[in-house]
Amino acid sequence: EAGVAQSPRYKIIEKRQSVAFWCNPISGHATLYWYQQILGQGPKLLIQFQNNGVVDDSQLPKDRFSAERLKGVDSTLKIQPAKLEDSAVYLCASSLEDLYGYTFGSGTRLTVV
Amino acid sequence: AQKITQTQPGMFVQEKEAVTLDCTYDTSDQSYGLFWYKQPSSGEMIFLIYQGSYDEQNATEGRYSLNFQKARKSANLVISASQLGDSAMYFCAMREIPPGSARQLTFGSGTQLTVLP
Repeated sequence: EAGVAQSPRYKIIEKRQSVAFWCNPISGHATLYWYQQILGQGPKLLIQFQNNGVVDDSQLPKDRFSAERLKGVDSTLKIQPAKLEDSAVYLCASSLEDLYGYTFGSGTRLTVV
Repeated sequence: AQKITQTQPGMFVQEKEAVTLDCTYDTSDQSYGLFWYKQPSSGEMIFLIYQGSYDEQNATEGRYSLNFQKARKSANLVISASQLGDSAMYFCAMREIPPGSARQLTFGSGTQLTVLP
């Protein structure tokens, strides 16, 4: 089966610019997650979707980050305006209802200069 | 709230030897799952092994085994016969299991493993 697709793979922007990331989960996976991984740290959950509804966005900086999952399939994560501290890898993952069926994408590496 | 602690920022091991990566966790839930992931420099998260809180036996997957000590709240990863390709970042993670709970993973800070030839 195809894996979780993410694009772009790399992105460099200046601070105060906007950027968007795209994720296409594995077909049939109802749950989709966006994680932020700062260099040298473990991934931190930003937002979790179940189909096209938000389950948890408690750690999403809502003044600058937004995410949507239209039609319960692919998802976009947007940052506007970006700050230097947003430099990180943004990982998308999807899962089934079983206990350990998580699949991660390769991530988008964002550098804000 | 769940918390995962990995106290070894970096570890070195000689090729063909075994190595143990430490992980302790904190949760008030009785039902939970523990995971180990490998993240090579290319960035993808590779699932290695899973242990459920009610599993009586330690999980094993090939050269990977999980030393689960529930009373101590530890879930250490043991890699036997290390290979050069095992050099990577390793993350311990946890999720809640009960129905209706959020199914997100909570990660530790990771351990960078370097296998020496």
